[in-house]
Amino acid sequence: DAKTTQPTSMDCAEGRAANLPCNHSTISGNEYVYWYRQIHSQGPQYIIHGLKNNETNEMASLIITEDRKSSTLILPHATLRDTAVYYCIVRVRRGNQAGTALIFGKGTTLSVSS
Amino acid sequence: NAGVTQTPKFQVLKTGQSMTLQCAQDMNHNSMYWYRQDPGMGLRLIYYSASEGTTDKGEVPNGYNVSRLNKREFSLRLESAAPSQTSVYFCACRFGANVLTFGAGSRLTVL
Repeated sequence: DAKTTQPTSMDCAEGRAANLPCNHSTISGNEYVYWYRQIHSQGPQYIIHGLKNNETNEMASLIITEDRKSSTLILPHATLRDTAVYYCIVRVRRGNQAGTALIFGKGTTLSVSS
Repeated sequence: NAGVTQTPKFQVLKTGQSMTLQCAQDMNHNSMYWYRQDPGMGLRLIYYSASEGTTDKGEVPNGYNVSRLNKREFSLRLESAAPSQTSVYFCACRFGANVLTFGAGSRLTVL
């Protein structure tokens, strides 16, 4: 799996957009970008994933550069409840086939303040 | 619909004691996982089970055993607990392509 690089920490003002970057310069053509977050003391929560097109759901937007070497997770209107560790993971997509699990790094700690 | 349920939520053990962490999912997913998380660290994979009847080692399997009892349940056993196993343990199940649903965690302290 391609390695990812994320900043250790970021700050964001409540109500503003939070833009979390992730570098994955060694990504291969069949690898997807996944984002999870972990709010303090809770289990990680899936946010969004994508291959090459930009994706949006009710939680966030994912912008992947044309060369796919980096991506940005966007929380359009951050709230205090978005304070969490955000993990960017690159992985070959598997359906219901047997396979190894996602490997989580240290992620980016996002602090949203009022 | 509880999703992924872990028991117990908290446990204190003495060195050398044994215990089993239980995990059950009601989502009818094939794959299940056990991770541990230490302070300031990301999650590390202990064991996983791609389907009922199969288990495989992850990054840090030493000191642990697992049982995939049926499709719903995946247990993690510490035969002889050590202080280095003090951690928060998370169970997860997988829906489709790498979308994991996690339990709330089990906090284990080994004295």
